[in-house]
Amino acid sequence: GAGVSQSPSNKVTEKGKDVELRCDPISGHTALYWYRQSLGQGLEFLIYFQGNSAPDKSGLPSDRFSAERTGGSVSTLTIQRTQQEDSAVYLCASRSSGRPYNEQFFGPGTRLTVL
Amino acid sequence: AQTVTQSQPEMSVQEAETVTLSCTYDTSESDYYLFWYKQPPSRQMILVIRQEAYKQQNATENRFSVNFQKAAKSFSLKISDSQLGDAAMYFCAVGGATNKLIFGTGTLLAVQP
Repeated sequence: GAGVSQSPSNKVTEKGKDVELRCDPISGHTALYWYRQSLGQGLEFLIYFQGNSAPDKSGLPSDRFSAERTGGSVSTLTIQRTQQEDSAVYLCASRSSGRPYNEQFFGPGTRLTVL
Repeated sequence: AQTVTQSQPEMSVQEAETVTLSCTYDTSESDYYLFWYKQPPSRQMILVIRQEAYKQQNATENRFSVNFQKAAKSFSLKISDSQLGDAAMYFCAVGGATNKLIFGTGTLLAVQP
């Protein structure tokens, strides 16, 4: 079946503009995660959605970052008033229900460049 | 809080040889999980192997195995019979009841023909 997809694959924007990044998880997966990977760094957790529960937003670096998940499927990560330090690869992952031990399947990521 | 440390930024191995990547972690959770992910230049994160902390037996997946030392909070990855396709960035990660994964900074593995 289809894996996790993300769009766009690359995004170049100017400082101060808003951007939206999209994630389509694997069908039926109830858990969805967003991570950020800055150059030369590991992945940094941003936000986690599980079914209809309130999302875990503990990793969002500032109030310029927000995310939503509509209908328990597609998710959008929005960054308002982008800054140069927001430049990174943004990765989305989904996981089937059950234990956190279950594998997180990752998308190919969106590379965001803020000029 | 959870932290993961990968002390080897880069490693190199000859094709067909064995290499071990190091990882240490810290967690306050009693029930947690450990993972090794591979990230080739395509950016696609691929699960290599995983281990539940309550299991004493080390996980094995074909040429990949782990040495899990719970008391020392160590979770190293051994790659046997290295192949050119194994060249990638390898990330160690720990997860628990909070569901999110905490990743190390990665080890870039080069495989020499």
